[in-house]
Amino acid sequence: AQSVTQLGSHVSVSEGALVLLRCNYSSSVPPYLFWYVQYPNQGLQLLLKYTSAATLVKGINGFEAEFKKSETSFHLTKPSAHMSDAAEYFCAVSDQGNNDMRFGAGTRLTVKP
Amino acid sequence: GAVVSQHPSWVICKSGTSVKIECRSLDFQATTMFWYRQFPKQSLMLMATSNEGSKATYEQGVEKDKFLINHASLTLSTLTVTSAHPEDSSFYICSARDLYGAGYTFGSGTRLTVV
Repeated sequence: AQSVTQLGSHVSVSEGALVLLRCNYSSSVPPYLFWYVQYPNQGLQLLLKYTSAATLVKGINGFEAEFKKSETSFHLTKPSAHMSDAAEYFCAVSDQGNNDMRFGAGTRLTVKP
Repeated sequence: GAVVSQHPSWVICKSGTSVKIECRSLDFQATTMFWYRQFPKQSLMLMATSNEGSKATYEQGVEKDKFLINHASLTLSTLTVTSAHPEDSSFYICSARDLYGAGYTFGSGTRLTVV
């Protein structure tokens, strides 16, 4: 069974500050890992994904994440937060057979002016 | 890029009636589609996995007779909420995986309100 745990249901940063959203995974097989963003009443938009190639993954909107097997982590970062980054962020995991995807509880990011 | 169209985006129905939600892959063939449910301020919970031409696989605790899933073609899966009750009110999201398993694409979601 696979699962992800997102530490911190709510993160608040100032505009221009570093964004760090934490995700730890549990998987008995090599995982694929994903970060999605969701705006109110909308679907999910893929930010980036790790599929066993490079451990540092660059995504859209300046986000990136690093796969660390030793720490079973896949934390999402962005050097400088924008107001438009305020949203709900979900970490997700699937196996490398691309079977069903499991989501973390989500982290709401608030960006203060 | 891959696009999944989900309709309707929102629906209000009376208690006891049934509601059908469609999920279409517009520019690719999807052998597998997934249906999720999301309560306010909560994460997405997988309800079922549907494979084209076969019966859906439901997650534990999801009533298959209440949430009917049909995946009759490689581009269309439907979720029918039968005899809807207010507790079925939620945000339902589908996702589709293409033939080559190259990734998942999500629909824009359907907000169901049962009154």
